[in-house]
Amino acid sequence: GAVVSQHPSRVICKSGTSVKIECRSLDFQATTMFWYRQFPKQSLMLMATSNEGSKATYEQGVEKDKFLINHASLTLSTLTVTSAHPEDSSFYICSARDPREKPYEQYFGPGTRLTVT
Amino acid sequence: DAKTTQPTSMDCAEGRAANLPCNHSTISGNEYVYWYRQIHSQGPQYIIHGLKNNETNEMASLIITEDRKSSTLILPHATLRDTAVYYCIVRPATSGTYKYIFGTGTRLKVLA
Repeated sequence: GAVVSQHPSRVICKSGTSVKIECRSLDFQATTMFWYRQFPKQSLMLMATSNEGSKATYEQGVEKDKFLINHASLTLSTLTVTSAHPEDSSFYICSARDPREKPYEQYFGPGTRLTVT
Repeated sequence: DAKTTQPTSMDCAEGRAANLPCNHSTISGNEYVYWYRQIHSQGPQYIIHGLKNNETNEMASLIITEDRKSSTLILPHATLRDTAVYYCIVRPATSGTYKYIFGTGTRLKVLA
C-alpha cells in the first residue's frame, strides 16, 4: 500500500510556542489529506480535511486559528499548533487519500506525539 | 457521530480465530465498510473493506450480513502481534470529502 510519513515523530515544546508537524505522501500525490488528534485511551478525532491549493475544512469545535493547516503541494500538508498549551498535548495523526485507488481508502502516517510543558 | 458500534474489548487465545463484530444498522446502499487496526502508539493500519460481498485478503476475512446492517472481521489464526484496537468505519463510496469518523473500536487482546 501507499506510504505516508510524519515528521517529527515526537516533539516537546514549551507553553506559548508554536510547533509544526509535517505529513508527506511518499509514493503518490494526495489531493486530500486529513488530520486527527488522539488522546490517551481514546479514539481518533478528525480535526480537519486538507485540500491541496485551498483552505482546510475544519470539524466543528476545532479552532482554525490555533491549528493552522497548509497543503501547499500534492505530497505535503503541515499542521501548526500555535501558542501551544499543555492541553494540546496529544498524538497527532495524518492520513492521505490515494486517488489512484478506488474506493479511495486512506493511508495513515505513524503519528506525532506532542508534549507541551 | 460514528455510524458504527463495536464491543469495547475482546480476548482471544493465540492460534484461534478472532471474530470481531460491528453493528452499522444505519448504513446506506452506497457506503463501504472499512476495517483498520491501531497498534499502540502507531497510526491506523488498513485491513480490509467491502460493500456487499464477503471479502478475504492475506490479513483477514470480512463477512457482511445480507441486510448489511452488521459485519464481522475474522482473523483466522490470531497471533500476539494482532493485539490492537480494531476500528470498523462506514464511508460513502462516492463523496466529496471521503472523511472517516472513528468510533470507539474494539480492543483485542491475544493471549498466549
